[in-house]
Amino acid sequence: EADIYQTPRYLVIGTGKKITLECSQTMGHDKMYWYQQDPGMELHLIHYSYGVNSTEKGDLSSESTVSRIRTEHFPLTLESARPSHTSQYLCASSEWTAIGGTIYFGEGSWLTVV
Amino acid sequence: QKEVEQNSGPLSVPEGAIASLNCTYSDRVSQSFFWYRQYSGKSPELIMSIYSNGDKEDGRFTAQLNKASQYVSLLIRDSQPSDSATYLCAVRDGGSQGNLIFGKGTKLSVKP
Repeated sequence: EADIYQTPRYLVIGTGKKITLECSQTMGHDKMYWYQQDPGMELHLIHYSYGVNSTEKGDLSSESTVSRIRTEHFPLTLESARPSHTSQYLCASSEWTAIGGTIYFGEGSWLTVV
Repeated sequence: QKEVEQNSGPLSVPEGAIASLNCTYSDRVSQSFFWYRQYSGKSPELIMSIYSNGDKEDGRFTAQLNKASQYVSLLIRDSQPSDSATYLCAVRDGGSQGNLIFGKGTKLSVKP
């Protein structure tokens, strides 16, 4: 069982506001991810990290940014939120092994921009 | 572009029946394969992983892998209404990044 914590779980904010979605994991996993998923739609990888000070862009272009200063913490920031950013954001983590570790997801953060 | 293909469904089966979910992938060097279940409004949760050709059983779930055919499937025996969810097939990218490539998911509905 994975322990990945996301806050806030639900957030409604106004256009132009800055928002940071927090994600922490307690498994000591090296690799962490952010996915974006609209209701009923597929998962899109927007950011990932191999470890401290590593950040990479995913398959889907995103205006958000991420940082990895500590192994356990991988926050995502939107500098100026827009209604098009309304979505569910899922944080995940995995071990980094030769064949790849299993990815475990947090409970998600639902963001609504009005 | 590496792809994972799933029938979007919905797949409807009666309670107690076997549900069969299928997935094909394009990356020939992939070594790791996963099935996730996602209830509406929730995050994906891991059901099974499979790395070798053949069958892997865990309770009512059986994953089947055929690397030659680039095909992976999930069988759910004695399907229950609580199994109604979207099932995501995921294949680890065989390249250096090693990220999971997710299919779009198959929506399963188990009718009482």
